[in-house]
Amino acid sequence: QSALTQPASVSGSPGQSITISCTGTSSDVGSYNLVSWYQQHPGKAPKLMIYEDSKRPSGVSNRFSGSKFGNTASLTISGLQAEDEADYYCCSYAGSSTWVFGGGTKLTVL
Amino acid sequence: QLQLQESGPGLVKPSETLSLTCTVSGGSISSSSYYWGWIRQPPGKGLEWIGSIYYSGSTYYNPSLKSRVTISVDTSRDQFSLKLSSVAAADTAVYYCARHVRSWYSFDFWGQGTLVTVSS
Repeated sequence: QSALTQPASVSGSPGQSITISCTGTSSDVGSYNLVSWYQQHPGKAPKLMIYEDSKRPSGVSNRFSGSKFGNTASLTISGLQAEDEADYYCCSYAGSSTWVFGGGTKLTVL
Repeated sequence: QLQLQESGPGLVKPSETLSLTCTVSGGSISSSSYYWGWIRQPPGKGLEWIGSIYYSGSTYYNPSLKSRVTISVDTSRDQFSLKLSSVAAADTAVYYCARHVRSWYSFDFWGQGTLVTVSS
């Protein structure tokens, strides 16, 4: 069970859209529609942003959206805002009641 | 409002056992809708799922940690606990407890986290 692969960093200007990728294998991301995404500000606990590949929990802005193709899931943030600057982590169900996280991506709002 | 609070020693010696407890308030740990999980984050690094438990006592562990991990639940106190044996410096991390939604396969509520340092 290896960690999912995310880019170390992405950046964008306010108002722009950015996409963060999360690549796994046919044993995790590719096998289940069960990728979730978490936002983590410095010194804070992670916050659930997306579950089941593309669903948003109540209270999460519709500027956040999730998608998946094959073994790669993606998180897109549209209309980038300064408050979106944070670390983002993907997580996938990996079968046999186990879960695996990605290495994390630092989003910088320029 | 649901709250999860981790508690336990902040310093553990190498080769000893790390023990943490998560207290759930504002909700019942005995709900059939949730698992209860532990996730850790070494300083400056990413998240790692350690394991989860159902109120019935069924447990699910990260295969890479399974030989050293025990998670238990006390429904009378709305608490669940983590024990990690034979710790080393690499186990130094912020340890989070979290509610694990069974139908969503995701973690929707997290504790604030507690830093555990492994050092002599």
